[in-house]
Amino acid sequence: GESVGLHLPTLSVQEGDNSIINCAYSNSASDYFIWYKQESGKGPQFIIDIRSNMDKRQGQRVTVLLNKTVKHLSLQIAATQPGDSAVYFCAEKRETSYDKVIFGPGTSLSVIP
Amino acid sequence: KAGVTQTPRYLIKTRGQQVTLSCSPISGHRSVSWYQQTPGQGLQFLFEYFSETQRNKGNFPGRFSGRQFSNSRSEMNVSTLELGDSALYLCASSLNEESYGYTFGSGTRLTVV
Repeated sequence: GESVGLHLPTLSVQEGDNSIINCAYSNSASDYFIWYKQESGKGPQFIIDIRSNMDKRQGQRVTVLLNKTVKHLSLQIAATQPGDSAVYFCAEKRETSYDKVIFGPGTSLSVIP
Repeated sequence: KAGVTQTPRYLIKTRGQQVTLSCSPISGHRSVSWYQQTPGQGLQFLFEYFSETQRNKGNFPGRFSGRQFSNSRSEMNVSTLELGDSALYLCASSLNEESYGYTFGSGTRLTVV
């Protein structure tokens, strides 16, 4: 089915290090991308978004990079904390007759204390 | 303000039965989307509603249906349940049909036996 692919299903990072979560998308017509974080037992939580006319956007401890040439998206988390342990999803909004948001399969981030 | 409320949180049904799940969006939000989440398929788009109209529908059989009421509350229905329908059903709300930074509820965990 439709999906936005991820390079790694799991990622382990030492507390205090920076984390980089990658995402590859296939639809060059997608014009808006979002990162979500899902903790156990909860629904996904919006982290940060970026439009296709931007290459980089920064939030609090997070940065999203968009490379449209290779259709690649990444989420960088600075000074990773135990509370960052979760599954991270990238999602893309596709320009169809009616817009819809498609989620990637997710990357599980584990922070080692 | 209150978040997205989904009821019930947990549900066990028998094959062949039908089920109705409810979602109350954030006050003032008029767009509601539904997703099915399973370990094997990840987050799969079901439908999107805005102002009581279905704007988009994912690739699911006709057994899956939904509706939205004038107060923006939404319900989804699954008829003739199959074992494969066991999943976490997530509802997400946004301000309008052009807002994609969704706020998700905690979901309804449906188990079909």
